[in-house]
Amino acid sequence: NAGVTQTPKFQVLKTGQSMTLQCAQDMNHNSMYWYRQDPGMGLRLIYYSASEGTTDKGEVPNGYNVSRLNKREFSLRLESAAPSQTSVYFCASSVIPTGMNTEAFFGQGTRLTVV
Amino acid sequence: QQQVKQSPQSLIVQKGGISIINCAYENTAFDYFPWYQQFPGKGPALLIAIRPDVSEKKEGRFTISFNKSAKQFSLHIMDSQPGDSATYFCAASSQAGTALIFGKGTTLSVSS
Repeated sequence: NAGVTQTPKFQVLKTGQSMTLQCAQDMNHNSMYWYRQDPGMGLRLIYYSASEGTTDKGEVPNGYNVSRLNKREFSLRLESAAPSQTSVYFCASSVIPTGMNTEAFFGQGTRLTVV
Repeated sequence: QQQVKQSPQSLIVQKGGISIINCAYENTAFDYFPWYQQFPGKGPALLIAIRPDVSEKKEGRFTISFNKSAKQFSLHIMDSQPGDSATYFCAASSQAGTALIFGKGTTLSVSS
């Protein structure tokens, strides 16, 4: 049972380069999320998709774009990477929005370094 | 504005001791308070959760205590074990909200 799968696991980018982080879930969940984790900052919400066809900004959306490709897949794009985007990125999913008191399931993360 | 404040940032406990992590919140609309556990190199995973209609919830060695009037909740780990060494995040959400709001995390180290 794969759960939430993120690719790649590690990535090094040069400042100004672009890339897309991929996320797929096989639990038939409706809602998906992107968080970033930085030392001492906890998990901060970048974007989320409450259901297929909808996306909304979270706490720290600047510099990112997202696409809910279908019910299973939710990608995060960095158009012009900056060193401040060096972080560990987590994708998560839930059967209904976690604002409705339900469990979020997380992927194993993508460690991104921007030099 | 930090909606969920977590303390301490790090904690060292001897094997067999009690680990206590505290969280405080401001938004009275929050009505779901989960704790997530994260091991190095892994994503967070739900450990235990509570709703404000109860003051305590226990699952094995893990207990959440909830004080609605003080807007505080805490995680107690009894008989702490080296395998409990991880980062713990408290979180909160409301029915009107969109996603979980996380605290900044506590790194727990249980020494043997």
